[in-house]
Amino acid sequence: GENVEQHPSTLSVQEGDSAVIKCTYSDSASNYFPWYKQELGKGPQLIIDIRSNVGEKKDQRIAVTLNKTAKHFSLHITETQPEDSAVYFCAAGTGTASKLTFGTGTRLQVTL
Amino acid sequence: GAVVSQHPSRVICKSGTSVKIECRSLDFQATTMFWYRQFPKQSLMLMATSNEGSKATYEQGVEKDKFLINHASLTLSTLTVTSAHPEDSSFYICSARAHQGGKAFFGQGTRLTVV
Repeated sequence: GENVEQHPSTLSVQEGDSAVIKCTYSDSASNYFPWYKQELGKGPQLIIDIRSNVGEKKDQRIAVTLNKTAKHFSLHITETQPEDSAVYFCAAGTGTASKLTFGTGTRLQVTL
Repeated sequence: GAVVSQHPSRVICKSGTSVKIECRSLDFQATTMFWYRQFPKQSLMLMATSNEGSKATYEQGVEKDKFLINHASLTLSTLTVTSAHPEDSSFYICSARAHQGGKAFFGQGTRLTVV
């Protein structure tokens, strides 16, 4: 089955700096890669996703890049703000199989 | 994004009793719903996948007789933890997607504590 690795497990950045979280996956059949933000005591919130026919996608301060050959994808957050502090999860899946395999999570702390 | 509502958000129950958790898609019809379990500071572990009108597919190691899943309509799935024990205490989260290949949206989670 699919295996998703995520790094780093914790990340501390100063407000205004950029944050990058990286994930690798094992199943070459995976073609859908969402990123979720989870705040304490809440369910994950979809923040951005990318499909395998696209190499990069951007939504305001958030961007995701995908390298299918290397089987890795990354989340980039620019101009970080304190409210970006949360746990971020990457995931990988295929459209036909429907289910997602999640990474281990990155706890992002944005300090003033 | 689409709204998925999960109820209750917190529940405390006595050991040996059963607890039902509801997951509703409020503004779309969910052909598929997923149930996850999350331990503190850990990732989400898929427990089962349910499709409306059919039996749920459980992941390896998940007891189907202990975690009963019903997906009776396109907007509602329920997870019943039967004969709960303290080791069942966890954060349970559902997600729903409207169609294969569609985005998955999560409920707010249910914190279950078995005493």
